[in-house]
Amino acid sequence: AQSVTQLGSHVSVSEGALVLLRCNYSSSVPPYLFWYVQYPNQGLQLLLKYTTGATLVKGINGFEAEFKKSETSFHLTKPSAHMSDAAEYFCAVSEGQDYGQNFVFGPGTRLSVLP
Amino acid sequence: DTGVSQNPRHKITKRGQNVTFRCDPISEHNRLYWYRQTLGQGPEFLTYFQNEAQLEKSRLLSDRFSAERPKGSFSTLEIQRTEQGDSAMYLCASSEGVTQYFGPGTRLTVL
Repeated sequence: AQSVTQLGSHVSVSEGALVLLRCNYSSSVPPYLFWYVQYPNQGLQLLLKYTTGATLVKGINGFEAEFKKSETSFHLTKPSAHMSDAAEYFCAVSEGQDYGQNFVFGPGTRLSVLP
Repeated sequence: DTGVSQNPRHKITKRGQNVTFRCDPISEHNRLYWYRQTLGQGPEFLTYFQNEAQLEKSRLLSDRFSAERPKGSFSTLEIQRTEQGDSAMYLCASSEGVTQYFGPGTRLTVL
């Protein structure tokens, strides 16, 4: 079965610093991978996704992630943190090759941005 | 652009009462998913529909949980005889292809 781990339940960075949020997955089939962001008391907003093709994917708000099959990783980065990036971030893997399958989510990483 | 909507946004109920939540997906999406999210955790899959067919329901947490999508459009999630452990955020998502789009969620508090 698929699973997702996110190293670091809480990450703090200074405004303007690099953001790195880690995601590792296990999957018995080629994965579809996603990053979502959640602001307090709101639903999940898609940041970016990897399905096939280019392993470096760019998303909204300056975020990007790189799929590394050999490391089973899909880490999320942003060169320069902004105060508005403070939120909860979730990595997810699609459970199965059928794109209609449900997602398995990691436990989340709370990002704090310090002035 | 109309996204996924959920009603109500908040529900407070007493233990033992039944509650029902509604989800309206993006109109052209044929798949609809329900997830539960407890504090400090990622969403946990409950069930999903393709059109009106419920294709996976073994992950529903107990037989007190049920979901319907009678005409392949909106869906309802019902919890009977609520317990304090049911307190959580209930999220709905819809998709046409690979990507799932989430609604704002319904936060349930069971007193």
